[in-house]
Amino acid sequence: DTGVSQNPRHKITKRGQNVTFRCDPISEHNRLYWYRQTLGQGPEFLTYFQNEAQLEKSRLLSDRFSAERPKGSFSTLEIQRTEQGDSAMYLCASSSPLGAGELFFGEGSRLTVL
Amino acid sequence: AQTVTQSQPEMSVQEAETVTLSCTYDTSENNYYLFWYKQPPSRQMILVIRQEAYKQQNATENRFSVNFQKAAKSFSLKISDSQLGDTAMYFCPLTGANSKLTFGKGITLSVRP
Repeated sequence: DTGVSQNPRHKITKRGQNVTFRCDPISEHNRLYWYRQTLGQGPEFLTYFQNEAQLEKSRLLSDRFSAERPKGSFSTLEIQRTEQGDSAMYLCASSSPLGAGELFFGEGSRLTVL
Repeated sequence: AQTVTQSQPEMSVQEAETVTLSCTYDTSENNYYLFWYKQPPSRQMILVIRQEAYKQQNATENRFSVNFQKAAKSFSLKISDSQLGDTAMYFCPLTGANSKLTFGKGITLSVRP
C-alpha cells in the first residue's frame, strides 16, 4: 500500500494524558499536512511541513500541540495534557510539488478523551 | 484569507437520478485550484474532481461534472446517474500557493435505493 498511513487509528485516553499520532506520507511527497475534523464538520487546518521545515501553524494549534517531521519523511503530532475538547479525528495528508494541488489523505486517527 | 461556504447541510437523491451540490468561496489569490472531495462514512477522503481557476472549461470526470462560475465565485458539483456508493459527505475546498486546503462544513449526500 503506497497511500498515506496513520497510526494509531483509534486512541482512547483520559483527560490530562499525552498522546502521539504518527503519519507516513506517500514516499515522494515533500509536503505534509495535519488537519482536525470534528463530527459533521469540515477539516480544519493545523499545520504543514515542506520537507522537515514546519512552514505554517494555525492559531488552533495551542501550546499543548506539537508536530515534528524530523527527517522530512514521517511526521508526529503530539497532544500534551489532553482535554475533552481535543476529541476529534486527526487527518494527515501529503502532496507532491509536481502535483496540481491535490492532497492525498490518510484514514485518520480518532482521539477520544474521557 | 480564504473561505468556503456550503449552505446546504444535507441532500437526498433517488438512485439513478441527478443531483447538484452547491459551493461558494472567497479568495484573494489569482491562481488557485478548486476541488470536490468525497468522504464516505468511516472512510478516508478521496478526490472526486479538480478545477484549475485559470481554465474556463468546466471539468468533467465520468458521472461527475462541475459548473465553475469564477466571477460569481461559485463551484457546484453535478452527479449524474447517482449510485448508492455516492452516499458520503462532500467537501469543496480550494487551495492557494502553498497547497493548503481550506474546507467548508461539507454536505451530506444520501442516495436512496
